[in-house]
Amino acid sequence: EIVLTQSPGTLSLSPGERATLSCRASQTISSSYLAWYQQKPGQAPRLLIYRASSRATGIPDRFSGGGSGTDFTLTVSRLEPEDFAVYYCQNYGDSRYTFGQGTKLEIK
Amino acid sequence: QVQLVESGGGLVKSGGSLKLSCAASGFTFSDYYMSWVRQAPGKGLEWVSYISSSGRTIHYADSVKGRFTISRDNAKNSLDLQMYSLTGEDTAVYYCARDSTSWNFDYWGQGTLVTVSS
Repeated sequence: EIVLTQSPGTLSLSPGERATLSCRASQTISSSYLAWYQQKPGQAPRLLIYRASSRATGIPDRFSGGGSGTDFTLTVSRLEPEDFAVYYCQNYGDSRYTFGQGTKLEIK
Repeated sequence: QVQLVESGGGLVKSGGSLKLSCAASGFTFSDYYMSWVRQAPGKGLEWVSYISSSGRTIHYADSVKGRFTISRDNAKNSLDLQMYSLTGEDTAVYYCARDSTSWNFDYWGQGTLVTVSS
């Protein structure tokens, strides 16, 4: 079973700064099956990035994804106040979906 | 626009059963795989089950296998999750989600809360 480990657990930054979130897989995974979500309190998750680097519909270009193999990143180039939330990575493989434990992006 | 609306959540005693439903609209339901994803209070996301567009292929997370049954009615644009032998570990918000063709979840419902009491 593939395990996704996200780091850091919490990231404290200020608006305007750059955020880099990490997702590490316990074994090599296909970039085609790696996605990122944003979740705000009391809301359902929202798809941000799919296939590791493709932005979902309506997602601002300050969000970008990258990586391959076992190491993937989500970058927010310049944080806006509405970007402070919890972020999850997700993989599909062996007929199951797996999520990372999440990174909380909080205002410093 | 795509809408997914869950219903059926509530308070149930440990060992009991509950059936969740998801009403889909705004897209051709029969073209898409569908999933249930849950989130325990204050915790992360956990995939529960998915069902293929035809209903012929079904998979479950190990944590619910043998206790939960996913089904769909393409004529009614609806997705169900029948849950049996519930325990406190099943307490969560349950989301209905559309599986995109890229094996991720491109649309989510607002969720329905299931609380299992002892």
